[in-house]
Amino acid sequence: LAKTTQPISMDSYEGQEVNITCSHNNIATNDYITWYQQFPSQGPRFIIQGYKTKVTNEVASLFIPADRKSSTLSLPRVSLSDTAVYYCLVGVVLDSSYKLIFGSGTRLLVRP
Amino acid sequence: SAVISQKPSRDICQRGTSLTIQCQVDSQVTMMFWYRQQPGQSLTLIATANQGSEATYESGFVIDKFPISRPNLTFSTLTVSNMSPEDSSIYLCSVDDAADPEAFFGQGTRLTVV
Repeated sequence: LAKTTQPISMDSYEGQEVNITCSHNNIATNDYITWYQQFPSQGPRFIIQGYKTKVTNEVASLFIPADRKSSTLSLPRVSLSDTAVYYCLVGVVLDSSYKLIFGSGTRLLVRP
Repeated sequence: SAVISQKPSRDICQRGTSLTIQCQVDSQVTMMFWYRQQPGQSLTLIATANQGSEATYESGFVIDKFPISRPNLTFSTLTVSNMSPEDSSIYLCSVDDAADPEAFFGQGTRLTVV
């Protein structure tokens, strides 16, 4: 069974940089890696997506090594409103079937 | 990008009854998926909804409990059958299309079984 693992939780303080890593050994060859943010009682919200190397947008950066078996979401200068659960999402191929699998989720707590 | 309409957004149901959740997409998409998120847990894939054929279920999920329909490339339903309190969860549909690598999600259905 494909496993996509993340740290269960992380603590940070306002203004710090936070890096969350996801391990995805079974990622499909041509698939992207996507990260989502989820607040309580809401659906996942798209943060960033990449295929390899580094991607940056207005809210985050995504670092992907050459083997693509992991990825790191980097949130610069977090604020209290970044307290949420963060999920990676990757496509995997198992038994010739393509599936989108979420990581286990990382609960980020940002303190003042 | 795809816009997904999922309904109902929430429901409270009696045990032993069934609820059908609908997922409507504003464009034709290749892949549609159904997820469950139990309280405090990650999103777990229930099944892949296949257009014109039976859904592909993940380990621990069976068709009798979670029948899925996908009559065309824009619509799918998930039914939670013979509900028990353990079925209380958020249920999400998601779509993924070869033309756009981003996956999109419905707003979710919060189901409470009493």
